[in-house]
Amino acid sequence: GAVVSQHPSWVICKSGTSVKIECRSLDFQATTMFWYRQFPKQSLMLMATSNEGSKATYEQGVEKDKFLINHASLTLSTLTVTSAHPEDSSFYICSASEGARGEAFFGQGTRLTVV
Amino acid sequence: GQQLNQSPQSMFIQEGEDVSMNCTSSSIFNTWLWYKQDPGEGPVLLIALYKAGELTSNGRLTAQFGITRKDSFLNISASIPSDVGIYFCAGLLRGGTSYGKLTFGQGTILTVHP
Repeated sequence: GAVVSQHPSWVICKSGTSVKIECRSLDFQATTMFWYRQFPKQSLMLMATSNEGSKATYEQGVEKDKFLINHASLTLSTLTVTSAHPEDSSFYICSASEGARGEAFFGQGTRLTVV
Repeated sequence: GQQLNQSPQSMFIQEGEDVSMNCTSSSIFNTWLWYKQDPGEGPVLLIALYKAGELTSNGRLTAQFGITRKDSFLNISASIPSDVGIYFCAGLLRGGTSYGKLTFGQGTILTVHP
């Protein structure tokens, strides 16, 4: 299957700082990528759809000024958690779809801990 | 947001036993996908189903796409300890603005005792 790489795997930051997470499609081009948040032993919650060359589409309840998404190229989307607070601590995962069938392939995830 | 109804929520089985889990939806999907997630990792695609009634195998895994396109099941035969993890079903509507946008089940936590 297609390969999606996410970086970093984990990050610890202080309250009030911003953190950037990268999602790359390594062997295919992705005009659309997705960002999820996951709490322990729960399903993935879609945060936003990242569209190359245009604004991201955010799900209801997700603050777009808090979670900045940039999709500057066909292989890279970034999620920036701005002014992070402890309640933003979570597991963040990206996905990208390849081919006409649209199956999504996921990155390894990023464990964010805000102290 | 919308979720698929996945059951059971958790399973505790002995090594060598077979496992079955299923998902149902009130909506029709074009594609059903089954993923496995290990702790601290992203989900990995196990099986993709594209046609109603389709039965697909991948090693010890077998999955079927329901005739009504509103349900799917996943079977794991002769379970082994490395089958431990969370299994998710996901429905996909192909094409249009929903390209690649998945609707997930709640997940099934599988524990295998040696």
